[in-house]
Amino acid sequence: GNSVTQMEGPVTLSEEAFLTINCTYTATGYPSLFWYVQYPGEGLQLLLKATKADDKGSNKGFEATYRKETTSFHLEKGSVQVSDSAVYFCALSGTYKYIFGTGTRLKVLA
Amino acid sequence: SAVISQKPSRDICQRGTSLTIQCQVDSQVTMMFWYRQQPGQSLTLIATANQGSEATYESGFVIDKFPISRPNLTFSTLTVSNMSPEDSSIYLCSVGSGKTGELFFGEGSRLTVL
Repeated sequence: GNSVTQMEGPVTLSEEAFLTINCTYTATGYPSLFWYVQYPGEGLQLLLKATKADDKGSNKGFEATYRKETTSFHLEKGSVQVSDSAVYFCALSGTYKYIFGTGTRLKVLA
Repeated sequence: SAVISQKPSRDICQRGTSLTIQCQVDSQVTMMFWYRQQPGQSLTLIATANQGSEATYESGFVIDKFPISRPNLTFSTLTVSNMSPEDSSIYLCSVGSGKTGELFFGEGSRLTVL
C-alpha cells in the first residue's frame, strides 16, 4: 500500500541556517504530494503541494520538488527563522485518502 | 478555503467516561474526516463522515468506540466512548477541497485520559 517515510526529528538549527527535511514515498499511481505545517497549539495547515512529477511547490521560502525517479519530496528552505519552529508533515493523497508521515519537529534558535 | 471550529479544544477525562467532540465548518461539505494524532506520532484516519449515511471507519476503528454523527452538511461530532489512557490524543476534524485536493483542519481537541 501507499506509505510516507519522513526523517525523524527533532531538527535544531540556528537562525539563517539551511533546512532540508527528507521525505520519500511509495505509492501506486500518481498521487499528489503535500507538506503540512503545525505550529504550536494550532491545527495543520497546508504549506505547499505538487500534483505531478517535476512540479515544484513553494510557499513562504520553502520549496519541494516532486521527484518520481527517486520517489522523494524533500522540503528545503535557504534561511530559516525562529518563526519556522513547528512540526512538518509530508503527505500523499489519492482521492482524499491521505497518508501522513510521522512529522518532523523543527526548532530554530535565535 | 474552509474555516473549521472544534470544541472542546482540550479536556481531561476520567477512565471509563465518554466525550463528544464537535466540528463546525463554515461551508457545506460532502465529506468530513476525523483523524487521531497520538503523542509523537502521525495522523491516522479514524473515519469519513458523510451526510445522510453511516460513517466509513478505517481498519482498527469501530463504531461502538468512535460513534460519529453527521446531521447536516456543516457539522459533525465524534464521540470517544469508554475512554482509557490509550485514547489520550489530539483528535482532528478536517474537510477537503475538491478543487485543490487540500485538506483543511480544525485546531484539534486534545484529550487526556487519567
